[in-house]
Amino acid sequence: QTVVTQEPSFSVSPGGTVTLTCGLSYGSVSTSHYPSWYQQTPGQAPRTLIYSTNSRSSGVPDRFSGSILGNKAALTITGAQADDESDYYCVLYMGRGISVFGGGTKVTVL
Amino acid sequence: QVTLKESGPALVKPTQTLTLTCTFSGFSLTTSGMRVSWIRQPPGKALEWLGRIDWDDVKFYSTSLKTRLTISKDTSKNQVVLTVTNMDPVDTATYYCALMGNNRLSFDNWGQGTLVTVSS
Repeated sequence: QTVVTQEPSFSVSPGGTVTLTCGLSYGSVSTSHYPSWYQQTPGQAPRTLIYSTNSRSSGVPDRFSGSILGNKAALTITGAQADDESDYYCVLYMGRGISVFGGGTKVTVL
Repeated sequence: QVTLKESGPALVKPTQTLTLTCTFSGFSLTTSGMRVSWIRQPPGKALEWLGRIDWDDVKFYSTSLKTRLTISKDTSKNQVVLTVTNMDPVDTATYYCALMGNNRLSFDNWGQGTLVTVSS
């Protein structure tokens, strides 16, 4: 069973930079997994931030960026703001039509 | 403007079959490259991809749930239907449908979600 790994939590200061990662229980993440990232606040549906590794969804501020760092996908928030405090989920495409969510990272801005 | 909205029962009993409908607008599921996925989220837990149906009626399901899931579409009504058999309390979750558009493998637009509770 494929497991997509994310840090459970991260804390960042206002104006600071934080990088969240998305890995695999075995193997490396590549652009062929078409990593995507989603932001979710309590009680709300997820919002798409990044698709296909590093493409920003419409209306997403450029302080959010996606990349591959080493053997993981990464989401970097540069210049964190208070309303960036949310849960962040990555999704990897595993082939054969299967997508898998990571366990999510709770980001606190303080 | 793309919109999706889930509908169905808020409460089902254990062992019953759940049927949810995703009604959408702003796109056609007959257009090449369009796909609709179902995703769920138990209270306080992570999102989980359940399955998807493509414009050409090809379907894919989560490995762990595929024996219990069926996804179908009615293009004349702009609807996608999810059925989950043999519901259990652990299936209590908010269920979302989402558009995977333009041949992307990401969830571009989301419904608001519908909470389904499994309890006797």
